[in-house]
Amino acid sequence: EVQLLESGGGLVQPGGSLRLSCAASGFTFNNYAMTWVRQAPGKGLEWVSITSGSGDTTYNADSMKGRFTISRDNSKNTLYLHMNSLRAEDTAVYYCAKYSMRTCGNSGYFDYWGQGTLVTVSS
Amino acid sequence: SYDLIQPPSVSVSPGQTASIPCSGDKLGDRYACWYQQKPGQSPILVIYQDNKRPSGIPERFSGSNSGNTATLTISGTQAQDEGDYYCQAWDSRTVEFGGGTKLTVL
Repeated sequence: EVQLLESGGGLVQPGGSLRLSCAASGFTFNNYAMTWVRQAPGKGLEWVSITSGSGDTTYNADSMKGRFTISRDNSKNTLYLHMNSLRAEDTAVYYCAKYSMRTCGNSGYFDYWGQGTLVTVSS
Repeated sequence: SYDLIQPPSVSVSPGQTASIPCSGDKLGDRYACWYQQKPGQSPILVIYQDNKRPSGIPERFSGSNSGNTATLTISGTQAQDEGDYYCQAWDSRTVEFGGGTKLTVL
């Protein structure tokens, strides 16, 4: 059974940093690209970033480029999202999701999602 | 950026057919996916590669994609199908989601 468990969310002040983790199990982690998607309270889904199975290819949403960095540790079956210079508008539930392919490309899809972790940016 | 446009809401009577459109420039030239999200829950994939259903998704869910519009169709809609539906497609090296459509079964 595929399981994705996010952690690391919480309350952070504007300008602060946070690292989210997503522990994966139930599949061969390095065979699949992984992504982060966020959802602000009462709003729709917003894609953040994706990394290939090996971690050597990453794509990022323009709106977060330069502040957010996706990475993965295949030895630990864990995906990360490093977030810097956080703003109030980054307040959201952050989901990790498994991609259906090893590489990042337009024929794949997000077939499993975690439960999400809430990040609140406020003073 | 590549915009995917969905109507904010769609209403349907139980047992009837619900159609949720998703519009984007030449969307039919790329694959579209659909996700269902119920309140307080994570999204789940209901349609991928335009018209394929993952295992466990009821046959009443179907999809199509042509021209500038992808469409999610739910035949014989049930009360349990209420929720938010999001289309998704790739634009070069970025992933785009539609704004979401709230499906109400009344």
